Amino acid sequence: KQEVTQIPAALSVPEGENLVLNCSFTDSAIYNLQWFRQDPGKGLTSLLLIQSSQREQTSGRLNASLDKSSGRSTLYIAASQPGDSATYLCAVKRKIGSSNTGKLIFGQGTTLQVKP
Amino acid sequence: DTGVSQDPRHKITKRGQNVTFRCDPISEHNRLYWYRQTLGQGPEFLTYFQNEAQLEKSRLLSDRFSAERPKGSFSTLEIQRTEQGDSAMYLCASSLTGTAQETQYFGPGTRLLVL
Repeated sequence: KQEVTQIPAALSVPEGENLVLNCSFTDSAIYNLQWFRQDPGKGLTSLLLIQSSQREQTSGRLNASLDKSSGRSTLYIAASQPGDSATYLCAVKRKIGSSNTGKLIFGQGTTLQVKP
Repeated sequence: DTGVSQDPRHKITKRGQNVTFRCDPISEHNRLYWYRQTLGQGPEFLTYFQNEAQLEKSRLLSDRFSAERPKGSFSTLEIQRTEQGDSAMYLCASSLTGTAQETQYFGPGTRLLVL
């Protein structure tokens, strides 16, 4: 059974710091891994999607890496800003043969606070 | 394309009542998913459809829950005889098979409070 864990559960940093959020998963047979952002009481916004064959993806100040063999992904946020304050969720999509199972399996999330 | 929409955004009901939620996916997306999220947790998968067919249901989906997607467009999720433990955010997402990695796009959610 695939399990996804995110550490830490909460993080508070001063504005301008670079930071790393961690995600681990127990089954390396994944189709892809996605990082999402969720603002309080809102839905999810996709930030980055890493295909199982890729090692990393970048978008602006965000960089996500994937190491399937160790079952880990990191989300790196450069030069953090107060507007980055939100909950960050990682999710994996399991692989069956060459296809995917459809559903996403989420971690519990890391709640980030960036202080001005 | 206005994204995934959900209605209502908030619902307060008394224990034992039935509730129904609606999800309108991004047009032409053939897959539609329902997830449930409780406070402080990540979303948990409930069920998903490909066109009209319900392809998978989680064991979380008790007999009191039913989902439909009658014409392969919008979907409804009904909870019968609600319980306080049903209080959660219900999220809908849609995707298009055959596209790169089939990114799922989420709606704003319906927050349910059962008193």
